[in-house]
Amino acid sequence: DAGVTQSPTHLIKTRGQQVTLRCSPKSGHDTVSWYQQALGQGPQFIFQYYEEEERQRGNFPDRFSGHQFPNYSSELNVNALWLGDSALYLCASSVPGQGVNTEAFFGQGTRLTVV
Amino acid sequence: GEDVEQSLFLSVREGDSSVINCTYTDSSSTYLYWYKQEPGAGLQLLTYIFSNMDMKQDQRLTVLLNKKDKHLSLRIADTQTGDSAIYFCAEMEAAGNKLTFGGGTRVLVKP
Repeated sequence: DAGVTQSPTHLIKTRGQQVTLRCSPKSGHDTVSWYQQALGQGPQFIFQYYEEEERQRGNFPDRFSGHQFPNYSSELNVNALWLGDSALYLCASSVPGQGVNTEAFFGQGTRLTVV
Repeated sequence: GEDVEQSLFLSVREGDSSVINCTYTDSSSTYLYWYKQEPGAGLQLLTYIFSNMDMKQDQRLTVLLNKKDKHLSLRIADTQTGDSAIYFCAEMEAAGNKLTFGGGTRVLVKP
């Protein structure tokens, strides 16, 4: 089992550009969540996808959007990048059990640097 | 609203026990978690506890939950140099969709 895989591992973009990050969930997991972890801070919830729809969203602007595919993999898109978007972006997958995602497993993250 | 707080730093000698503390505010939390993050890496799930439990033990790890005071702790017995990392506590909201993390406690294990 490969666990949660994310690509790319590192990325450098210029202000104003757009970026797409990718995530493949752990085998058997159908729910994908995205988190942003700024340097020296804890992860912040961006949004969660289940059955190809955004189920819940954190306090992030519309520049952050996502998608989930029928194979449960997911993409995070960020438009009009700011310097402040520089962070480690983490993907987590889980299996909903009676409405509670008991265990969320995280990937290694994508380190995005905006210059 | 939800808020999770942790102390910033803990230094411990190899072989001693480490205790990392966390407080949270959301009384409707269903599960509480401990994650470990090593430099340049993602988050590794260490253990979790259901909110109606007081204690959970898993090998060298002991989680204590005081629901009245909304206080969670993680004890690591016989701390090793490989335990040096940042430890995050997190709470799962009642709807089961979102984790709220603390700012992390950096643990340094000295030989």
